Amino acid sequence: DAGITQSPRHKVTETGTPVTLRCHQTENHRYMYWYRQDPGHGLRLIHYSYGVKDTDKGEVSDGYSVSRSKTEDFLLTLESATSSQTSVYFCAIRGQGASDTQYFGPGTRLTVL
Amino acid sequence: AQSVTQLGSHVSVSEGALVLLRCNYSSSVPPYLFWYVQYPNQGLQLLLKYTSAATLVKGINGFEAEFKKSETSFHLTKPSAHMSDAAEYFCAVILNTNAGKSTFGDGTTLTVKP
Repeated sequence: DAGITQSPRHKVTETGTPVTLRCHQTENHRYMYWYRQDPGHGLRLIHYSYGVKDTDKGEVSDGYSVSRSKTEDFLLTLESATSSQTSVYFCAIRGQGASDTQYFGPGTRLTVL
Repeated sequence: AQSVTQLGSHVSVSEGALVLLRCNYSSSVPPYLFWYVQYPNQGLQLLLKYTSAATLVKGINGFEAEFKKSETSFHLTKPSAHMSDAAEYFCAVILNTNAGKSTFGDGTTLTVKP
């Protein structure tokens, strides 16, 4: 158990509403990541953080924002949810070295109607 | 830039048969390479990783992978498939220069027939 939790685990929402997903870690790792997983696309990086208040975009960041005010929490916000954002979202954490293993949370299944 | 290609989105083997899942990468610098497994409705778990030490890497559950620079490959193998190996497998590449941002392949679903 890598000490990562995600909340909520499941969410159904309507188009146009804001949604916030939370990732919480107990490992004090510096790096945290948000991915989305869609059939046939593997995992694609949305945003990542390399420290408190330090974040950067990944390859599919449009329509998403993130915040990290504490080491242990990394929030992903969909400003105005769209049906194309229906997906499974995974948070991951990593230690200092690039060769360090990424540990993944259990995922959040989001459905946008 | 980095990319990963997993050949075959679905692989089916019989129980006891050899498992071979293919992964090719492209990278401008020496990469770190990972294989992850995902069981239904779960997150990803690390199977093994290559970090520029031994080219033959042994992982959990009897899996191993060999880094071949000349072929830019990191194929995953297991001599004898077990029913519990049925899952989705992902290859990923990380460069040391980019904050550890992983690029994942599209995944290969392994089915094991009795």
